[in-house]
Order: sequence, then C-alpha cells, then structure tokens
Amino acid sequence: QQQVKQSPQSLIVQKGGISIINCAYENTAFDYFPWYQQFPGKGPALLIAIRPDVSEKKEGRFTISFNKSAKQFSLHIMDSQPGDSATYFCAASTSGAGSYQLTFGKGTKLSVIP
Amino acid sequence: GAGVSQSPRYKVAKRGQDVALRCDPISGHVSLFWYQQALGQGPEFLTYFQNEAQLDKSGLPSDRFFAERPEGSVSTLKIQRTQQEDSAVYLCASSSRRSGRDSGNTIYFGEGSWLTVV
Repeated sequence: QQQVKQSPQSLIVQKGGISIINCAYENTAFDYFPWYQQFPGKGPALLIAIRPDVSEKKEGRFTISFNKSAKQFSLHIMDSQPGDSATYFCAASTSGAGSYQLTFGKGTKLSVIP
Repeated sequence: GAGVSQSPRYKVAKRGQDVALRCDPISGHVSLFWYQQALGQGPEFLTYFQNEAQLDKSGLPSDRFFAERPEGSVSTLKIQRTQQEDSAVYLCASSSRRSGRDSGNTIYFGEGSWLTVV
C-alpha cells in the first residue's frame, strides 16, 4: 500500500515559470511533511518542510501548501531556474512510534528549460 | 566530517557474493538510518539505530540483510548472498534527534552506495 502518492512523475517548465508538484497521503497520523531535492548521483537534501498546524510555508522561491481535510500537500517553485532541474520527493512521518521513519513518494523529475 | 559519508560509492558484486557498505554519520548524531532506493523510485526505509541500539529493522527485505552500529557511530549494512533484486542505491542518513521526541527531525542523507549485482 503506497502511503504517499506523488504526481506528476515528470514535469517540464520554462525558465521563469511556476513548477507545481502534488502529493496525497492516506495515514492521518502523519504530522510532518518534508520535501527533498535530489540531483543525479547525490543523496536527497531537505528543501522545505511543513507541519499540519499551518496551511502554507514559504522559503524563498519555494512554497508548501497544505490541505489537511483533503490530505494533500504541494510544492510550488516560483521563477523556476535551470538549476532547479532535479528529482523532488515528498515525504511524511509521524511523531508517534516510528517517527524516525520517512515514507517517500515516488518522485517527480523536474526539467527547467531555458 | 561535514556530512554523512558512505563507502564504497560504487560496488559491483557477482550474484551470491557478500557485500558490506559503510556509513560514517555526522559527528555526534544519535540517530542513523538506512534506506534503499531502487532506480526511479523514492527511498524506502530499511532500519534505524539510536546510538548502538537497532530500534527498528522492519524494512529489511530478508534475513540476508544485516546492519550494525556497535559503538554508536559508524554503521555497516551487510548483504549476504546478493541477488539481482538487491541492485539499488543504499542511502545512509543521520539526525541529531531521537525518535519519539518530536517529528520533523532534519535528516541528512549521504550520497549513497550504488550496488549492482550481476
């Protein structure tokens, strides 16, 4: 059972455009939702994260929107740049037993074209 | 070191061979994790250590997989009698926080050990 569903699988955006990646989760016990960025040959790196007590969090060009009732959250990359081209993973974890375990989506490969 | 260090970066093993993958976490980090990432997929949890104690090994796919962290710092993931389905990137990650205290630990990943079984 896939607990975190991510879409789209791949995304092509023009430089300066907005990239939007969506995730949906099933486990209502999840209470921490990070996004990771992964470049080829590298490990995932934390980009931004949100807890369900807020509906939006913004850091620079990156914004997470969170909809608790719909059990969905999304990453928006404003003014997308070629350097943003990477694979993005949403993830989720709980604060109860097993809080150490991140459940990842399958990833979105973003290509930003000049 | 400044980050999580893993070795070897690349390993080609013949089917049936045993392999050992090493992880040096960030100095002082209490929590250490191993994840498996198949090509084109997200990382999947394998096992978790808090200091030297292995608190969760529920993600290990079979009894051919074994992990240890005897002194609470360096960890080794061992795979016995490797099979082709074991081909993946094995990611080690560490965090300064303990489980159960607070969700939202910042978890730092290494660059991974790329295992190919032929």
